[in-house]
Amino acid sequence: GAGVSQSPRYKVAKRGQDVALRCDPISGHVSLFWYQQALGQGPEFLTYFQNEAQLDKSGLPSDRFFAERPEGSVSTLKIQRTQQEDSAVYLCASSPDPIEQYFGPGTRLTVT
Amino acid sequence: DAKTTQPPSMDCAEGRAANLPCNHSTISGNEYVYWYRQIHSQGPQYIIHGLKNNETNEMASLIITEDRKSSTLILPHATLRDTAVYYCIVRGTDSWGKLQFGAGTQVVVTP
Repeated sequence: GAGVSQSPRYKVAKRGQDVALRCDPISGHVSLFWYQQALGQGPEFLTYFQNEAQLDKSGLPSDRFFAERPEGSVSTLKIQRTQQEDSAVYLCASSPDPIEQYFGPGTRLTVT
Repeated sequence: DAKTTQPPSMDCAEGRAANLPCNHSTISGNEYVYWYRQIHSQGPQYIIHGLKNNETNEMASLIITEDRKSSTLILPHATLRDTAVYYCIVRGTDSWGKLQFGAGTQVVVTP
């Protein structure tokens, strides 16, 4: 069956540009998560939605990062005025229950 | 603050059992032990979780010590496709949303 999909898979942005990363969760999954993974490190939590409500955004590194899920399905992570330290793989996961999170393949963002 | 400690890497021969250790000495009574793995260029994948009893599924077995301060993930017959980074995560019922990954263990299965 269809898993979590993310687009684009690769994004190159010049420093200062805005980017938008999309996540299509598994149909029916109420919970959605965003993680950031720097090279050689484990994923770091960014934010969490239950349906359209953003219940935890404690991991967003700055106010340049913004996430939304307006209709409780597709989610977008937006990064304004990208910096080189934003270069990372951005992972999206969805979950039907507290036990298992299903991850997408990630979007690799490179800021030049 | 790291809640788990894992060796950075380990090798395993194809067909043999892989035993992956994890220390979680500060685990509290309502926290579960979860294992995920991440194959290169893919997102993490759930493997198994447990509270205090040993658990087994089609992918692996999880052995948790009686004092719950450490655990071992066992891949019974490692294959080349099991080469991945394995993450041991402690997670409470009051924070079931997020997963806190550490650096994990890079497991390389060799022919």
